[in-house]
Amino acid sequence: AQTVTQSQPEMSVQEAETVTLSCTYDTSENNYYLFWYKQPPSRQMILVIRQEAYKQQNATENRFSVNFQKAAKSFSLKISDSQLGDTAMYFCAFEYGYGQNFVFGPGTRLSVLP
Amino acid sequence: DGGITQSPKYLFRKEGQNVTLSCEQNLNHDAMYWYRQDPGQGLRLIYYSQIVNDFQKGDIAEGYSVSREKKESFPLTVTSAQKNPTAFYLCASFKTGNTEAFFGQGTRLTVV
Repeated sequence: AQTVTQSQPEMSVQEAETVTLSCTYDTSENNYYLFWYKQPPSRQMILVIRQEAYKQQNATENRFSVNFQKAAKSFSLKISDSQLGDTAMYFCAFEYGYGQNFVFGPGTRLSVLP
Repeated sequence: DGGITQSPKYLFRKEGQNVTLSCEQNLNHDAMYWYRQDPGQGLRLIYYSQIVNDFQKGDIAEGYSVSREKKESFPLTVTSAQKNPTAFYLCASFKTGNTEAFFGQGTRLTVV
């Protein structure tokens, strides 16, 4: 079975600082995708960043970047220059089989402090 | 604008009643998923469907039922057999071959 683990239930960071959220996963698949989703208080799930397992280069989206280590099955999210609007639950997710299987971690609640 | 719509946003159910949550998408997506979210937990898969008239059970399908009569619609029925139905329910869709999921805004179901 595929599993996703997020070992940090809650984190906080000062505005403008950098924070890293951890995610590890377990799979025997070779071709898969990894995601970070953000869920603000509105509870709308928003895609933050996506990484294809076959790509060695780490994905980046503006202030968001990942550290993808395939051998270690690790997929951490770095948020630079944290903003108050980054306060949310962050879910790491794993997908394989072209939409057949989507597995989410338990989430990390991030609070950005003014 | 294309998107995925869940309704209602809040729903109250008396014990012993069935209730149906709506999920509609106009993105022409093939696959649709239903998830349940409880406090302090991630999303857990209830049911999913990849084509019309076909659907598969997820990890926590007991007490739930679905139908997929149209590509655009994937309603979820919470039956009286679901012992603890109070939760937040999220619907998602995505096109087969594309790995990005689009989520609805969710339905908060409360048993009273």
